[in-house]
Amino acid sequence: AQSVTQLDSQVPVFEEAPVELRCNYSSSVSVYLFWYVQYPNQGLQLLLKYLSGSTLVKGINGFEAEFNKSQTSFHLRKPSVHISDTAEYFCAVSEPNAGNMLTFGGGTRLMVKP
Amino acid sequence: DTAVSQTPKYLVTQMGNDKSIKCEQNLGHDTMYWYKQDSKKFLKIMFSYNNKELIINETVPNRFSPKSPDKAHLNLHINSLELGDSAVYFCASSQEVFSYEQYFGPGTRLTVT
Repeated sequence: AQSVTQLDSQVPVFEEAPVELRCNYSSSVSVYLFWYVQYPNQGLQLLLKYLSGSTLVKGINGFEAEFNKSQTSFHLRKPSVHISDTAEYFCAVSEPNAGNMLTFGGGTRLMVKP
Repeated sequence: DTAVSQTPKYLVTQMGNDKSIKCEQNLGHDTMYWYKQDSKKFLKIMFSYNNKELIINETVPNRFSPKSPDKAHLNLHINSLELGDSAVYFCASSQEVFSYEQYFGPGTRLTVT
């Protein structure tokens, strides 16, 4: 069975600074990887996904993530954050033939300060 | 023209009651899901359902049951509510079982007293 670990529960950062949110997964098979964002009192929105191909994936709102198979990681990055990026970020994994069910990490709260 | 909608947004009820949460998607998707998000923001899949197959997370108590009157709806029924059922419940949908991109509803905050 797969699992996802987000090492940081909270990440405070100043506006316009770069940020990296860490995600590690474990699985016995190849996986698909995702980052979702949850703004306060809202549902989840897909930021980006890795299914196959290039290991560097670009998403919405200037975010990108890099799949590293040897380190079983899928860290999310943004070179310059805005106040509006303050939200909860979830890394998720799905295995082929698992009914498309996502397993989520515990979430990382990104807090952007002025 | 909300893609995935849920009703009600808030639900407060007492222990032992039976309640339902409704979910509707107007995206024409084939597969729908229910997730539970606890007070620590931890998200857990409960069910995955399309017109052919229901996949249940084995950790979900059988007091929870999904019911789909048609392809656009997947309602969540909960019997004999317990305090530990308090959480935010999210409905989601995806176009095909293997599309892997899920669209989430706004959530229903259930509080059991």
